[in-house]
Amino acid sequence: GAVVSQHPSWVICKSGTSVKIECRSLDFQATTMFWYRQFPKQSLMLMATSNEGSKATYEQGVEKDKFLINHASLTLSTLTVTSAHPEDSSFYICSARSGTGRGDSYEQYFGPGTRLTVT
Amino acid sequence: AQRVTQPEKLLSVFKGAPVELKCNYSYSGSPELFWYVQYSRQRLQLLLRHISRESIKGFTADLNKGETSFHLKKPFAQEEDSAMYYCALRGTSYGKLTFGQGTILTVHP
Repeated sequence: GAVVSQHPSWVICKSGTSVKIECRSLDFQATTMFWYRQFPKQSLMLMATSNEGSKATYEQGVEKDKFLINHASLTLSTLTVTSAHPEDSSFYICSARSGTGRGDSYEQYFGPGTRLTVT
Repeated sequence: AQRVTQPEKLLSVFKGAPVELKCNYSYSGSPELFWYVQYSRQRLQLLLRHISRESIKGFTADLNKGETSFHLKKPFAQEEDSAMYYCALRGTSYGKLTFGQGTILTVHP
């Protein structure tokens, strides 16, 4: 199956600083990438959907100026948490989909997640 | 609006016992339903989808449109089935996935 990687897997930052999380599709071109937030033993909450080369679509209640998403290429999307605060501490998961119209291209492949801790 | 409900947050069974993880959904059209599994310290992965009508690792799930349910079943649970299971819904092939709250399945020896 297709592989999605995330970097870093774990990051600690101080309150007020910004942190960038990368999501890469390793063996396919991802026309669409999704960013989720997961609280311990809870559901995945979709934050935003990004299509390559266009602005991300944010879910209701998600601050676009705080969670900056860039999908500049077909294999890379980044999520930048700006001016992070302790309440932003969470597990962030990205997912990628190729959408070429062939076979299981509509399937979403998930990254391993990034644990963000803001002190 | 689309919504997925998994009423059981925790489910414990003994090895060899049947297991059923419940999932109900709300959607006005004809959705695609999925079950995802997340083993300890691993990423989320697709277990099965209703359109495939397949059995994966002994698990099956039937879409019941009348009851708007998509329960996951396995006749004989194994210890390695212990994981977090998420039911998910997608309105269209290009639509976004909506996840249920998840059910933690623990299979005791």
